Amino acid sequence: GIQVEQSPPDLILQEGANSTLRCNFSDSVNNLQWFHQNPWGQLINLFYIPSGTKQNGRLSATTVATERYSLLYISSSQTTDSGVYFCAVEGNRDDKIIFGKGTRLHILP
Amino acid sequence: EAQVTQNPRYLITVTGKKLTVTCSQNMNHEYMSWYRQDPGLGLRQIYYSMNVEVTDKGDVPEGYKVSRKEKRNFPLILESPSPNQTSLYFCASSRGGLYYEQYFGPGTRLTVT
Repeated sequence: GIQVEQSPPDLILQEGANSTLRCNFSDSVNNLQWFHQNPWGQLINLFYIPSGTKQNGRLSATTVATERYSLLYISSSQTTDSGVYFCAVEGNRDDKIIFGKGTRLHILP
Repeated sequence: EAQVTQNPRYLITVTGKKLTVTCSQNMNHEYMSWYRQDPGLGLRQIYYSMNVEVTDKGDVPEGYKVSRKEKRNFPLILESPSPNQTSLYFCASSRGGLYYEQYFGPGTRLTVT
């Protein structure tokens, strides 16, 4: 099945810093989403982005489907950005959803 | 309010005692799925359902059963729980797989002793 790798596994930044999170996937995908899990465990959709670039406030994402990777950019980090960021993909062979192991982000005040 | 509910939120049980975790959504979603989350492993899909009476295995289905008799409900059944099924479980729903926004339940923390 499809393998999804996220990097880095952990990231500690000062408030106001920028960050780039990466998601590599091993095969062609039909769908890709980024999620944020806050420190209370709640999972929140960020972007649906199987290809191209999208922006939502301080967050943006880019997926280069032909090279099988996606990037999540967080600018001017705030403490509320802390948590775990997951990338998830759905392949074109079945309807399974595969998550990466996540990037744990700590934003220090 | 659009929501996915799970019950119970916390459960401590013993090896071999059958249990069911319920999941219900009020958005008339076609797609529902169950995940387990373990430290360092992310979320792993256990089972998913494209519609009523249609279920398929995810990546880690061993030791679990599901049913989808009604569109709104998707219970997760552990016939004979074992300690390696101690985990945080999430139910999710959407209009159709990962193409649409995913709605997650609040999670069920299960401990099997």
